Amino acid sequence: GAGVSQSPRYKVAKRGQDVALRCDPISGHVSLFWYQQALGQGPEFLTYFQNEAQLDKSGLPSDRFFAERPEGSVSTLKIQRTQQEDSAVYLCASSLGRGNDHTQYFGPGTRLTVL
Amino acid sequence: AQSVTQPDIHITVSEGASLELRCNYSYGATPYLFWYVQSPGQGLQLLLKYFSGDTLVQGIKGFEAEFKRSQSSFNLRKPSVHWSDAAEYFCAVGARYSGGGADGLTFGKGTHLIIQP
Repeated sequence: GAGVSQSPRYKVAKRGQDVALRCDPISGHVSLFWYQQALGQGPEFLTYFQNEAQLDKSGLPSDRFFAERPEGSVSTLKIQRTQQEDSAVYLCASSLGRGNDHTQYFGPGTRLTVL
Repeated sequence: AQSVTQPDIHITVSEGASLELRCNYSYGATPYLFWYVQSPGQGLQLLLKYFSGDTLVQGIKGFEAEFKRSQSSFNLRKPSVHWSDAAEYFCAVGARYSGGGADGLTFGKGTHLIIQP
């Protein structure tokens, strides 16, 4: 079946621009996660949704970062007034979120470059 | 808060040789444990996971890992590596809540595996 998809795969933004990154989770997956992966580092947790509810946003680095999942499926991560330190790969993951299976399945990521 | 340490940044192994990648975690109880692999420009692919039960878990591509509670470790092993195994490997820990839920994963910094011909 289809896995997690993300778009765009690559995004170049000028400093100060706003960007929106999209994530389509696996159909039926209740939980959705966003991670930020800087070059040469492991992914770092940003935020977590269960259906449309954002249950944890403790990893968002600043109030310029905003995520939503209004209908409990597709999610958008928005970064306002981008800065050079926002350059990274943004990974989305989804999981069933029910029972004992908490495996997270990852999308290919969006590579954001801020000039 | 949980943490993950992968002490080896780079490891070089000859093709056909055995492999062990180390992972140590810090967490107050029994966590969920994962190993993921990432090839250049790709997302993360799940190799294997430990939730409960048998502490030796089998994964895809001939990988296995053993959960050792006393050592807070979850080392990844493969008896014979192939050139296609060259990639970045990440160990991750997930919190386990009393209600059965889970939260965002905490990743190690990764180990870069190089395969020599």
